[in-house]
Parts: sequence; structure tokens; C-alpha cells
Amino acid sequence: AQSVTQLGSHVSVSEGALVLLRCNYSSSVPPYLFWYVQYPNQGLQLLLKYTSAATLVKGINGFEAEFKKSETSFHLTKPSAHMRDAAEYFCAVRVYAGGTSYGKLTFGQGTILTVHP
Amino acid sequence: EAGVTQFPSHSVIEKGQTVTLRCDPISGHDNLYWYRRVMGKEIKFLLHFVKESKQDESGMPNNRFLAERTGGTYSTLKVQPAELEDSGVYFCASSQVRGGQSTDTQYFGPGTRLTVL
Repeated sequence: AQSVTQLGSHVSVSEGALVLLRCNYSSSVPPYLFWYVQYPNQGLQLLLKYTSAATLVKGINGFEAEFKKSETSFHLTKPSAHMRDAAEYFCAVRVYAGGTSYGKLTFGQGTILTVHP
Repeated sequence: EAGVTQFPSHSVIEKGQTVTLRCDPISGHDNLYWYRRVMGKEIKFLLHFVKESKQDESGMPNNRFLAERTGGTYSTLKVQPAELEDSGVYFCASSQVRGGQSTDTQYFGPGTRLTVL
């Protein structure tokens, strides 16, 4: 079975500072990995995904993540934080379930990002 | 194109009552998923429909929960009778089957916040 661990339930940065949100996964087969973001009073929005192509994945709003198999990690980064980046971020893993189904997502606990002026 | 919609956005009921949550997936999406986030915990998978068939219901907590997707369009999730531990946010997601293979992006609705008193 797969699992996801997000290190740090709360991360606080200053506007303009580097954002680093940590995610480690456990999977017995090659995983698909995702980062979702939830802004207040909205649903989860996909930021980016890794599906076994390039290990450095670029997403929306200037975010990127690097898949490191040796470290079983998929950390999310952004060089310069904006106030609008304040939200909750979720890392998720999915294993191909066979047939026409890509199966369920297994989520980490979520990380709330606060951006200070 | 309309996104995934969920109704109601909030529901407050008393223990022992019945509540029905509804999810309308993106038009043409055959995959429909239900997830739940209990306060302070991670988002957890409940079940997965492919059209009107239940593909995976391994996450359903007990037989007080009944999910249906008649006609393969919208889905309902009924909780009867509701218990205090059922409180949380219920998310619905959908994804597309294209050419016999599911795409690997799940699109989420805004969620229904259920409070059981």
C-alpha cells in the first residue's frame, strides 16, 4: 500500500522568500505523484503532477517539484512567495489500479502555507 | 466548461438524522470519486464509480454510508443514521476516460461541510 508524509503542518515564509513544502512517499510500484492546493472556500486545484516523464515538473503559479526516487521525495518549491500563495497544500500519490481505472489518491496531511508581508 | 459541483455547501444535522450529499461531475467524466476529510486528519478515499458501477468502495467506513450513481451522471452519498464522527468535509472528484484509458487528473469540487451535533 502507498502512503504520503508531509513534513510540517504549518510553514510560514516572508513575501519574496523561497517556498519549500516537503513530501515523502512510500510505494511498492512506480507512483504517480501530485500536488494540490486549496484556497479558502474553494475546492482542491491541481498544481502539478509527476507521471514518470521528466523528474523536474513545472506547475501553475510558478511552482515546481522534483521527483527523487532515491530519497522517495517530491518536494514542492517556489523561488519567491506571493501573498496570494497562502493556502493549504496537499501532496498525493496514486498507483495504477489496472484496466481503465487510475484508482484512488492517497493524500498527505496537508501543509498550511502562511505568507507574511 | 463547468467544474465539479457539490450540494449543499454546508449541512448541520443532529445525530441520528439522515443527510444526502450530491455531486455533479464534469460533463463527460465517467470516473467519479468521493473523499472525506475529518478535522485534523488527511483527506481519505471513500469510493470510486466508473459510470454507474462501483469500481472500488474499500474506503467506505460502514454500512451507514450509501453511494449511488444512477445513470452514470450525478452521484449521491447518503449517511443514515448520522453519527458525530461523520462530521467533516466531503469532496467529490471526477476524471475522464479517453480512448479506453483514464486520464490521470482528478478534478475536485468545493466540498460539502457536514456537521453532526
